Amino acid sequence: NAGVTQTPKFRILKIGQSMTLQCTQDMNHNYMYWYRQDPGMGLKLIYYSVGAGITDKGEVPNGYNVSRSTTEDFPLRLELAAPSQTSVYFCASSSLAGGRGTDTQYFGPGTRLTVL
Amino acid sequence: AQTVTQSQPEMSVQEAETVTLSCTYDTSESDYYLFWYKQPPSRQMILVIRQEAYKQQNATENRFSVNFQKAAKSFSLKISDSQLGDAAMYFCAYRRLTSGTYKYIFGTGTRLKVLA
Repeated sequence: NAGVTQTPKFRILKIGQSMTLQCTQDMNHNYMYWYRQDPGMGLKLIYYSVGAGITDKGEVPNGYNVSRSTTEDFPLRLELAAPSQTSVYFCASSSLAGGRGTDTQYFGPGTRLTVL
Repeated sequence: AQTVTQSQPEMSVQEAETVTLSCTYDTSESDYYLFWYKQPPSRQMILVIRQEAYKQQNATENRFSVNFQKAAKSFSLKISDSQLGDAAMYFCAYRRLTSGTYKYIFGTGTRLKVLA
């Protein structure tokens, strides 16, 4: 299994441009997450999904959109990029854990995005 | 609201020595999970250890162990026989169940330096 893969690894955008960060997992996990990590900070949840066709906002959703048409893929769309969106973006997935399940988040390698 | 606090921005340890990283959290829930993640320079997030709040026994994974004090809401990570490969950022995380979905809250991280 490849686990969680993200593309691209690096990207530079100009203010106002748009782009899509790709995330794919091959573990048949139903939970998927997008986080951003600003320098010297922990991870902040942008959006998450509990299954195909179901998404919801996290702590910092403004300026982003997501879709989940398949179990495997969870792309993150940036519309009208702004310098404040300069960050490292992590995608993660986990299996559904009801009650005292032992799900663990599996992270992708991250995408470093710079908006100039 | 749940919060996770890591009060040590940076720690240093001599190779082969033991180091303890601190984490405190705030919650009104009684059943939850706590995690320590390692983020090496490659930026990938790697699960180090997991603790279930309902378990009295402290979790252990090889050289890594935790000191879980539920009443004090403290969750420290002890690394024994430190190795150069342990140098990384370490994040403490709390997993909560909200609106039927598991979400993770991360601390701001502790940078661990291992001195040869």
